[in-house]
Amino acid sequence: EAGVVQSPRYKIIEKKQPVAFWCNPISGHNTLYWYLQNLGQGPELLIRYENEEAVDDSQLPKDRFSAERLKGVDSTLKIQPAELGDSAVYLCASSRTGELFFGEGSRLTVL
Amino acid sequence: AQSVTQPDIHITVSEGASLELRCNYSYGATPYLFWYVQSPGQGLQLLLKYFSGDTLVQGIKGFEAEFKRSQSSFNLRKPSVHWSDAAEYFCAVGAGTASKLTFGTGTRLQVTL
Repeated sequence: EAGVVQSPRYKIIEKKQPVAFWCNPISGHNTLYWYLQNLGQGPELLIRYENEEAVDDSQLPKDRFSAERLKGVDSTLKIQPAELGDSAVYLCASSRTGELFFGEGSRLTVL
Repeated sequence: AQSVTQPDIHITVSEGASLELRCNYSYGATPYLFWYVQSPGQGLQLLLKYFSGDTLVQGIKGFEAEFKRSQSSFNLRKPSVHWSDAAEYFCAVGAGTASKLTFGTGTRLQVTL
């Protein structure tokens, strides 16, 4: 069984530029999560999807962050414009029974 | 609101020694509890989970954890640590299936030879 796939693994951009991250969850997993992990910290939830519906986006900074999960499978997280403080690892996870399976993450560096 | 406290930021143990990583949670009902491990540059891998039933749960790589409701704790243990266990360990609490997980700040384990 393939795991959660994320791309790109690494991204370096200048501030004010846009960036997008892509996630392909495990087949059959209806719940998809985007987490933010700052250096030396635990992951923090940005958004949770049940199929194509965003059921918890209270922690997503909606002025610059957006996400979508078309057709209830793959998901994209976008930042526009990026700020220096957005440098972090963006983790995608999926779940079917409450146990989260994580991808390897997308490490963003904003210069 | 649910929360997790991992009081130890960094722990160093000798290879072959026993290990206990502490985790305290705050949640109003019966929690779903998890321990994840993260190696540098990698995603999080599930070590073990507690949903209900036996309060002592066994996980992968020889790890176990015990749920103690009276102490709101879910400490992770291993009787004999291997050098390959050096990593960051995260405790997490959830409300049930298809709910979000709230993570602690992690404990970095260093293993000396």
